[in-house]
Amino acid sequence: AQSVTQLDSHVSVSEGTPVLLRCNYSSSYSPSLFWYVQHPNKGLQLLLKYTSAATLVKGINGFEAEFKKSETSFHLTKPSAHMSDAAEYFCVVISNAGNMLTFGGGTRLMVKP
Amino acid sequence: DTGVSQNPRHKITKRGQNVTFRCDPISEHNRLYWYRQTLGQGPEFLTYFQNEAQLEKSRLLSDRFSAERPKGSFSTLEIQRTEQGDSAMYLCASTSYTGTTGYEQYFGPGTRLTVT
Repeated sequence: AQSVTQLDSHVSVSEGTPVLLRCNYSSSYSPSLFWYVQHPNKGLQLLLKYTSAATLVKGINGFEAEFKKSETSFHLTKPSAHMSDAAEYFCVVISNAGNMLTFGGGTRLMVKP
Repeated sequence: DTGVSQNPRHKITKRGQNVTFRCDPISEHNRLYWYRQTLGQGPEFLTYFQNEAQLEKSRLLSDRFSAERPKGSFSTLEIQRTEQGDSAMYLCASTSYTGTTGYEQYFGPGTRLTVT
């Protein structure tokens, strides 16, 4: 079975400062990992995905994540936060058969002016 | 727009009533998924279809829940004899395998159910 743990339920940053959202995974196989973002009253949107190609993955809106097998981590970063980044972020692992997503508990990102 | 759509967006019902939600996936996608998201939690897998076949069901899907995808296009999720614990956001997603994107799932906006 696979699982993901998001280490912070809430993260607060000031606009223009770096963002770090932490995710650790557990999997018995080489996983495919995703980050999704959920803005209030909107659907989940894929930010980026890792599928065993490059370990540093670039996504939309300036976000990127690095897959570190030795640390079983897939942390999400952004160099400079924008007010529009305030949302709920989910780290997700997909099953080996590719038929089921397992979500972490989510991290709510707050951006202060 | 060819995204995933869900109807209704909001549903308020009294305990004991039956409710039905609809999901229209992206037209060329052959897989369709249902998830449930309660407040402050990540979405949890309920069930999925490949074309019209329901291939997997979660333990979360009690006997009061039933899902169909009769023609391999839209899907419905019915909850019978609703309970207050059924209050949640019900999310639908669709996907189709490609060599480059794998099974990337696209989500609809969800149906928020409130059971009073």
